[in-house]
Amino acid sequence: KAGVTQTPRYLIKTRGQQVTLSCSPISGHRSVSWYQQTPGQGLQFLFEYFSETQRNKGNFPGRFSGRQFSNSRSEMNVSTLELGDSALYLCASSWLLNTEAFFGQGTRLTVV
Amino acid sequence: KNEVEQSPQNLTAQEGEFITINCSYSVGISALHWLQQHPGGGIVSLFMLSSGKKKHGRLIATINIQEKHSSLHITASHPRDSAVYICAVRSLDQGAQKLVFGQGTRLTINP
Repeated sequence: KAGVTQTPRYLIKTRGQQVTLSCSPISGHRSVSWYQQTPGQGLQFLFEYFSETQRNKGNFPGRFSGRQFSNSRSEMNVSTLELGDSALYLCASSWLLNTEAFFGQGTRLTVV
Repeated sequence: KNEVEQSPQNLTAQEGEFITINCSYSVGISALHWLQQHPGGGIVSLFMLSSGKKKHGRLIATINIQEKHSSLHITASHPRDSAVYICAVRSLDQGAQKLVFGQGTRLTINP
């Protein structure tokens, strides 16, 4: 069974640009959640989707958005990139909300 | 004060030692997770707990809901257990659920 796949693995963007990251969950999983990890702040929760609806959201500005498609694949978008958005972005999938989560390898975003 | 506090932040031990990592939280929760992160970033979910105790191989996780405290134990530790261990809780915040993470415990097991 394939694991959680995140693309791309590495990304370099310039300040002010926007970026879209993709997450393909484990087959059969209907929930996808996104996290940001930085050396200073550690792991922080971005948002969580189930059946194409955002169910929960962390304390991030509106520049951070996401969506989930009918096949459970999810994308997150960051607009007007700032240097502080440089981070490892992780997604996790689970069968339902609040069940065991399986993490992808992450996308390392560098904003220059 | 963080909603989730882990201790210790760093732990170095010899192979074979019994390891305990602690997690205290200050919010109401529906579940607590223990995660393992190896260098390179990959995260593995070790346990999800809402009460009692779970065991998987050499790893044991316990939770005391009344005391808002959880522990992760590793028996017969091995160098391959070297990683960052992260405690996370699913809490309720103004009617919505959110995941809150501890700062992690960096464990190094020397041969």
